[in-house]
Amino acid sequence: GAVVSQHPSWVICKSGTSVKIECRSLDFQATTMFWYRQFPKQSLMLMATSNEGSKATYEQGVEKDKFLINHASLTLSTLTVTSAHPEDSSFYICSASPSGSLVFGPGTRLTVL
Amino acid sequence: AQKITQTQPGMFVQEKEAVTLDCTYDTSDQSYGLFWYKQPSSGEMIFLIYQGSYDEQNATEGRYSLNFQKARKSANLVISASQLGDSAMYFCAMREPQGGNTPLVFGKGTRLSVIA
Repeated sequence: GAVVSQHPSWVICKSGTSVKIECRSLDFQATTMFWYRQFPKQSLMLMATSNEGSKATYEQGVEKDKFLINHASLTLSTLTVTSAHPEDSSFYICSASPSGSLVFGPGTRLTVL
Repeated sequence: AQKITQTQPGMFVQEKEAVTLDCTYDTSDQSYGLFWYKQPSSGEMIFLIYQGSYDEQNATEGRYSLNFQKARKSANLVISASQLGDSAMYFCAMREPQGGNTPLVFGKGTRLSVIA
């Protein structure tokens, strides 16, 4: 079946640094990918929709300049958390839709010290 | 207004018993899809079952069934013969339209604990 991978699976960084998270569709092409954020003991909240070849669409309250999304190819979307702060510590999950179904990546756990 | 409402923050069930996790949704679209996911402590989102708004029969997948009551806008998940490995967070989610390239909207989730 269709698979979405994420890298890294976990990352620890210092406050003020930037972190890049990759989301790849392994066996299908994805013109659109979705990025979610999940704080501890909470639900998944949509952050943005990543569109191949065009700008991402951000949900209300999500800072575009802080969470940079680049959908460089039909199989890769990246989320860069710029100038990370402890409150950005969260679980980041991407998903994509091959042929109408929905597949989630395994997630990336970010801890900002 | 919340699109997906899960009113049970936590549920306990005895092993081998059945349990129902509640989910109600809000939409004015005729076309939508309803999903249930299981999220163990590892964080991965495991797809369990799907119900399309035009599907007349309730979806079933092994021990999982979805009690779809369209008029009441509810899509409850029934897990039969609970197992210890079923202990996890369970999320109900909706997509509009059904089959569209749109994101899922999730409920707050229900933490299920299966007791031996």
